[in-house]
Amino acid sequence: DTAVSQTPKYLVTQMGNDKSIKCEQNLGHDTMYWYKQDSKKFLKIMFSYNNKELIINETVPNRFSPKSPDKAHLNLHINSLELGDSAVYFCASSQASEPQHFGDGTRLSIL
Amino acid sequence: KNQVEQSPQSLIILEGKNCTLQCNYTVSPFSNLRWYKQDTGRGPVSLTIMTFSENTKSNGRYTATLDADTKQSSLHITASQLSDSASYICVVGKTSYDKVIFGPGTSLSVIP
Repeated sequence: DTAVSQTPKYLVTQMGNDKSIKCEQNLGHDTMYWYKQDSKKFLKIMFSYNNKELIINETVPNRFSPKSPDKAHLNLHINSLELGDSAVYFCASSQASEPQHFGDGTRLSIL
Repeated sequence: KNQVEQSPQSLIILEGKNCTLQCNYTVSPFSNLRWYKQDTGRGPVSLTIMTFSENTKSNGRYTATLDADTKQSSLHITASQLSDSASYICVVGKTSYDKVIFGPGTSLSVIP
């Protein structure tokens, strides 16, 4: 069973479109995250939710909007996609101070 | 400024050899330090996690050390295998809750 699963794995779309990435975890963790990994492989946190409540919101354009319908799901919606949004987006979950469990990423390419 | 630096940026070693990766950080307040392994095309996987009071932690052939005074950590890989080829990322936690700072990673290639 996949612990943290995100869909789609690949997303190719045109500039200006709106897209969503979904994430689900079956580990029973209270906290979920979205990270962006750029071409230089740096992982930077975007958002963190604990029990459906936003607790970390880094400097991210407001075109990015996370939504957590329940503590097992954290989706990421992106409006008006730009070329600079091309990256790999990782979802992760954790419980308390335990290490995070990551999904395998969504590779977003903007044409 | 909260930063995590890693060296070397990349490393190539022969199968069976040992290697050591370095991590220096300026993150404050410090909560914990983690090492992750990221295979190509996959998400990072936790190898070790150490708090302030711990100065070494092992996970199989991986041994991490932490010197909280000098703010340095190392990851030692013993008897490397081809499957060790990956990016190794040092991550420092600021609070028990999880404001974490990622290092840029060291890309390790193990060749036969």
